[in-house]
Amino acid sequence: DAKTTQPNSMESNEEEPVHLPCNHSTISGTDYIHWYRQLPSQGPEYVIHGLTSNVNNRMASLAIAEDRKSSTLILHRATLRDAAVYYCILRDVGGETSGSRLTFGEGTQLTVNP
Amino acid sequence: DTGVSQDPRHKITKRGQNVTFRCDPISEHNRLYWYRQTLGQGPEFLTYFQNEAQLEKSRLLSDRFSAERPKGSFSTLEIQRTEQGDSAMYLCASSPLGSYNEQFFGPGTRLTVL
Repeated sequence: DAKTTQPNSMESNEEEPVHLPCNHSTISGTDYIHWYRQLPSQGPEYVIHGLTSNVNNRMASLAIAEDRKSSTLILHRATLRDAAVYYCILRDVGGETSGSRLTFGEGTQLTVNP
Repeated sequence: DTGVSQDPRHKITKRGQNVTFRCDPISEHNRLYWYRQTLGQGPEFLTYFQNEAQLEKSRLLSDRFSAERPKGSFSTLEIQRTEQGDSAMYLCASSPLGSYNEQFFGPGTRLTVL
């Protein structure tokens, strides 16, 4: 699986935007970029995913570099509930049985200050 | 709530004992996954099922671990002759067919081996 690199931790203030970076310089053409987050004492939850174009949903936006070697998860207005570990994951969807597993790194611990 | 459920939520056992965990996926989700997470690390993939077929197993899944999904619905994960190194959070997730569909995680079973 292609590897991702994220900062260990980041801090933000409540109601301010947060930009969480992820580097994936060895990404292949069939790798989707997925983001999950894990709140304390809970299982991970899906946030967003994309392939080449920027993506928006109700939780966040995903900005993907033109060369796809990096991406940024954007939380437009951080709340205390957004404090979590955020994981950037590449999923190869080249075949029906590939792309099944999620390969988590250590993620970025986001702290949101009131 | 029709999310993924896991039972028990916590299990304390003595070294050498056998333990079994259960996962009930979201109904009609064909795929079911097991992950293990130790403190401070991201979840690690163990195995996954498509319906009742176990399609992939990680090398982390030693001979003491066995997983089943006999009717393509709920799944069990058994650990025989537990060791202290087995202490971890065991997470279950499910998803519909489709390589890039999001995985829905349960709350996990916390195993402590004394």
